[in-house]
Amino acid sequence: GEDVEQSLFLSVREGDSSVINCTYTDSSSTYLYWYKQEPGAGLQLLTYIFSNMDMKQDQRLTVLLNKKDKHLSLRIADTQTGDSAIYFCAESLSGGYQKVTFGIGTKLQVIP
Amino acid sequence: DADVTQTPRNRITKTGKRIMLECSQTKGHDRMYWYRQDPGLGLRLIYYSFDVKDINKGEISDGYSVSRQAQAKFSLSLESAIPNQTALYFCATSDPRGPETQYFGPGTRLLVL
Repeated sequence: GEDVEQSLFLSVREGDSSVINCTYTDSSSTYLYWYKQEPGAGLQLLTYIFSNMDMKQDQRLTVLLNKKDKHLSLRIADTQTGDSAIYFCAESLSGGYQKVTFGIGTKLQVIP
Repeated sequence: DADVTQTPRNRITKTGKRIMLECSQTKGHDRMYWYRQDPGLGLRLIYYSFDVKDINKGEISDGYSVSRQAQAKFSLSLESAIPNQTALYFCATSDPRGPETQYFGPGTRLLVL
């Protein structure tokens, strides 16, 4: 079945780059997502990538997809204290309804 | 105003009590979901609904029931609450066009004593 794995915790200094990693098992996954959860709030979509892409960039965010290794990463350039949150990787297929499988979330701590 | 709202935001109840968590959305989406979040376990799907007449069990539906009163409203009930249902509960919606982007409410923190 589907499984999405992430490390639990990452600590970086303000101004450095953060790289949050994720591995998934379903080779037929079509969409891969990154969500952000700030304290006391629900998850909010940051970005997603379609499986026929290797990279997607959106301002400070860069998503890299290695389909061979089933590895997804989120790079945050010039990390700010406001980036402190839990980041969830997720995957789904396409077509009709497809269940979204979430990872357990990586807590990013940004040290001033 | 928030697109997906949940009430209450926090709730403390006792074992055996019946409680209802409510969710409303203004996004006009047909699809709605209930998840629970537990530390170290991420999000797990409880129930989902594609429209008012379509209700489906998720991976952990035992002990829960739902009601889709209207396109905009989806409520989750715990028939007889137990302590291991202590968790953070999220409602979400999605648009069937394109990727399965989920729009989450702010969550309800439930403590069962």
